[in-house]
Amino acid sequence: DTGVSQDPRHKITKRGQNVTFRCDPISEHNRLYWYRQTLGQGPEFLTYFQNEAQLEKSRLLSDRFSAERPKGSFSTLEIQRTEQGDSAMYLCASSRGQAGPYEQYFGPGTRLTVT
Amino acid sequence: DAKTTQPNSMESNEEEPVHLPCNHSTISGTDYIHWYRQLPSQGPEYVIHGLTSNVNNRMASLAIAEDRKSSTLILHRATLRDAAVYYCILRDGGRGSTLGRLYFGRGTQLTVWP
Repeated sequence: DTGVSQDPRHKITKRGQNVTFRCDPISEHNRLYWYRQTLGQGPEFLTYFQNEAQLEKSRLLSDRFSAERPKGSFSTLEIQRTEQGDSAMYLCASSRGQAGPYEQYFGPGTRLTVT
Repeated sequence: DAKTTQPNSMESNEEEPVHLPCNHSTISGTDYIHWYRQLPSQGPEYVIHGLTSNVNNRMASLAIAEDRKSSTLILHRATLRDAAVYYCILRDGGRGSTLGRLYFGRGTQLTVWP
C-alpha cells in the first residue's frame, strides 16, 4: 500500500501532557499538509510543507503546536500541554503540487482524546 | 479562500443517479473545482476536479456550468458505499498562488437508501 499513513490511529492523553503524531506521505509527493477535524465539521487547515520548508501556517496553530518535516519525507505534529479543546481528528495529506489541478491524498487520521 | 455553497443533506435510493450541486458565484478564472468525499471514520478522499470542461472518471462525472458559477457532481448509480459527506472546493491554479490549503466547509451529507 503506497498511500498516506499516520501513526498512531488513536491517542488518549491526560490534559497537560505532550503528544506527537507521525505522518508518512506518498513517497513521490513533496507537499505535505496537516488538518484538524472536530465532530460535525469539515477539516480545517493547520500547516503545509514543501519538502522540509514550512510554507504556510494557520492561525489555528497556536504556540503549543509545532510541526516538522526534517528531511522532506515524514512529518511530525507535536502538541504541548494538551487541552480538552485539542480533542479532534488530526489528518495528514500529501500532493505533487500545491494548488490548482493537484489533488491531495489523505491518511486515515489520528484521533486524539484529551481527558 | 473562494467560498462554495452546498445543500446540507441529500438522499438517494440505491442504483439511482445522484446529482450533488455546488454554487461558487465568486469563482475566479484560475480556480479549479475539486470534489472530495469523506466516509465515516475515514480521511477525505479525492473524487474529481475540473476547470472549464465537464470531466469523467471511474468514480463520478463533473458537470461545470458555462459561466462556471456552479457545478454538479454526478454519481451515475449510487451504492450504499457512496454514503458520505461530499465537499466542493475551489483551488487557485494561478502561477502566483502559494496557498496549499483546502477549504472544506461543511459539505453535503449524502444518504443512500437500500
